[in-house]
Amino acid sequence: AQTVTQSQPEMSVQEAETVTLSCTYDTSESDYYLFWYKQPPSRQMILVIRQEAYKQQNATENRFSVNFQKAAKSFSLKISDSQLGDAAMYFCAYRNQGAQKLVFGQGTRLTINP
Amino acid sequence: DTGVSQDPRHKITKRGQNVTFRCDPISEHNRLYWYRQTLGQGPEFLTYFQNEAQLEKSRLLSDRFSAERPKGSFSTLEIQRTEQGDSAMYLCASSSDRFTGELFFGEGSRLTVL
Repeated sequence: AQTVTQSQPEMSVQEAETVTLSCTYDTSESDYYLFWYKQPPSRQMILVIRQEAYKQQNATENRFSVNFQKAAKSFSLKISDSQLGDAAMYFCAYRNQGAQKLVFGQGTRLTINP
Repeated sequence: DTGVSQDPRHKITKRGQNVTFRCDPISEHNRLYWYRQTLGQGPEFLTYFQNEAQLEKSRLLSDRFSAERPKGSFSTLEIQRTEQGDSAMYLCASSSDRFTGELFFGEGSRLTVL
């Protein structure tokens, strides 16, 4: 079974600085998808960024980018120019190609210090 | 607002009682998912519907749990003879036919079993 591990329960960063959240996963599959979801306090979870395993190029969405290392099974999220609205729980998630189930990590709580 | 809606948002019940949660997905989405999230953990997959067909169930979904999506629109999740271990946030999510991994989540239904 696939597993996702986020080793940083909490992270904090100064506003306007850059922060990197770590994620590792375990799978024997070669085709899969990886995601970062954001869950603000008392609000619904939303997709931040997605990476297809067959793509070598790292995904980027505005201030959010990933460092995807397939051989190392590592998928970190970099947030540049951190803003107060980035404060949330961040979950790394995995999905096999053709499957419907997402497997989530334990989450990292990100605090932005003004 | 055309997002995923869940009802009730909070439910407090006594052990042994039955509870039912309702989820209304985004109207054009034919895929619907239920996840459970306990405090400090990432969401765990419970079950998945494509239209009215329940295509996948997790082992977490014991005999006391039942989910339905009778007309391929809204879904209900019923828990019979609740136990304290059932206390959690129950998240519903939906997606469209072209499943790219982006799930649209509701705000969740929080269950507290006393």
